[in-house]
Amino acid sequence: DAGVIQSPRHEVTEMGQEVTLRCKPISGHNSLFWYRQTMMRGLELLIYFNNNVPIDDSGMPEDRFSAKMPNASFSTLKIQPSEPRDSAVYFCASRSTGRPNYGYTFGSGTRLTVV
Amino acid sequence: KQEVTQIPAALSVPEGENLVLNCSFTDSAIYNLQWFRQDPGKGLTSLLLIQSSQREQTSGRLNASLDKSSGRSTLYIAASQPGDSATYLCAVSRETSGSRLTFGEGTQLTVNP
Repeated sequence: DAGVIQSPRHEVTEMGQEVTLRCKPISGHNSLFWYRQTMMRGLELLIYFNNNVPIDDSGMPEDRFSAKMPNASFSTLKIQPSEPRDSAVYFCASRSTGRPNYGYTFGSGTRLTVV
Repeated sequence: KQEVTQIPAALSVPEGENLVLNCSFTDSAIYNLQWFRQDPGKGLTSLLLIQSSQREQTSGRLNASLDKSSGRSTLYIAASQPGDSATYLCAVSRETSGSRLTFGEGTQLTVNP
């Protein structure tokens, strides 16, 4: 199993540009989560999906952020337009609700820098 | 609102020492608790998961305990090694299905050779 795969690993963009982060969850996992990590606020949940349906997006900072999960094997997190305060490491995680003993698996993250 | 606190924030020990990391949470209605390790610039690696009905889990030199009624968990590391140096994060989930994790701020561990 290749684990949760995120791309790109690093992204540097100019303020105002659109940024798209991508995630491929573990095959068979039916829940997918997007987290953001910063020094100031630690790990924050942005949004999560169950069976490709968004369940809770209360952590999405503002309308500039959007997330989609068109199928069970792919999700995107988009920021448009990006701002310097969006600079952070964005993690994707997945789990199987049918196998709670196995917990959550995180990807390696995307380090976003907005200049 | 669930709050998770980890003490200490940082810990430096000599190699070979046994050590304990602490995690506390305000809402005892948790479904499970998970300990993660994060190396600098890297993602999170799951170490141990304890279901709410369990008291402890063990993996190698690691042992995690859970006292749900008092809102506490500890991660015990035996015979620490320099390779154990990392940030250790505790996280709890509440609902049973597809639930969110609430993380502590982590304990930064340094094991000196």
